[in-house]
Amino acid sequence: QSALTQPASVSGSPGQSITISCTGTSSDVGGYNYVSWYQQHPGKAPKLMIYDVSIRPSGVSNRFSGSKSGNTASLTISGLQAEDEADYYCSSLTSSSALGVFGTGTKVTVL
Amino acid sequence: EVQLVESGGGLVPPGGSLRLSCTASRFNIINYNMNWVRQAPGKGLEWVSYISSAGTMSYADSVKGRFAISRDNARNSLFLQMSSLTDEDTAVYYCARGVPADISDWYFDLWGQGTLVTVSS
Repeated sequence: QSALTQPASVSGSPGQSITISCTGTSSDVGGYNYVSWYQQHPGKAPKLMIYDVSIRPSGVSNRFSGSKSGNTASLTISGLQAEDEADYYCSSLTSSSALGVFGTGTKVTVL
Repeated sequence: EVQLVESGGGLVPPGGSLRLSCTASRFNIINYNMNWVRQAPGKGLEWVSYISSAGTMSYADSVKGRFAISRDNARNSLFLQMSSLTDEDTAVYYCARGVPADISDWYFDLWGQGTLVTVSS
C-alpha cells in the first residue's frame, strides 16, 4: 500500500490562508468519505484536526477546514498563526490489503 | 483524564522480539476499535495494525506475519507482539483509539505519547 501524496512543505505569512493537498486513488481517498487530518508538533503525538473529510472535532479551531474532490482531499488553514507551524498528515481507509494509509506529511512553516 | 499510555519499548537486536502494551484510562477499550501507528525517526506516520471491538484484526503488509495485535478488555489494555525485528522496525510506536464499536468510519481521535523501539546490534 503506497502512502498518500502530500507536498513536502507549505508556507505562509501570519493571517494568510494555506491549503495542503492529499492525493490518493479510487481505492482510498476517492472511494470513501473517511479522510482525516492530523497535526503533529515536534516530539508530540499527532492530534486529530478533521475527520470524515470536513468535520472538526470539538475544540478544534474553525480556522481549519477540509474538503475533497475525486481522489484528492485538502486541508485549508485560514488566518495562519504561529502555533499552526507543525507537520500535517492525511489518512484514509483503503480497500487494499492494508486497512488504513497515511499521507507522506507536510511541514507547515509560518513565515 | 481520558488517555492512552504505552510501554514496553526499548533496544532489541535484529531478529529479536518485543511486546508493547497500551493501557487506557477513563474509557473502556471494549467499546472502540484500536490501532497501532508507528513513526520512524524523521519520517512520517505509518499505520501498523488494527483490532476491532469484536476482535477482527488487520495488519500493514510490512509487518504481516511478524506482528500480532491483541487486547485484554478486562485489563483495558492493547498489545503488540513484535518478532523477527529488523532495523526498518525502528520507530516510535503509538497506540491510537479508532472509532466506536459498530460505527463504520476511519479516524484516530486519541493517541498515546508513544514508545520508542530501537532495533540494533
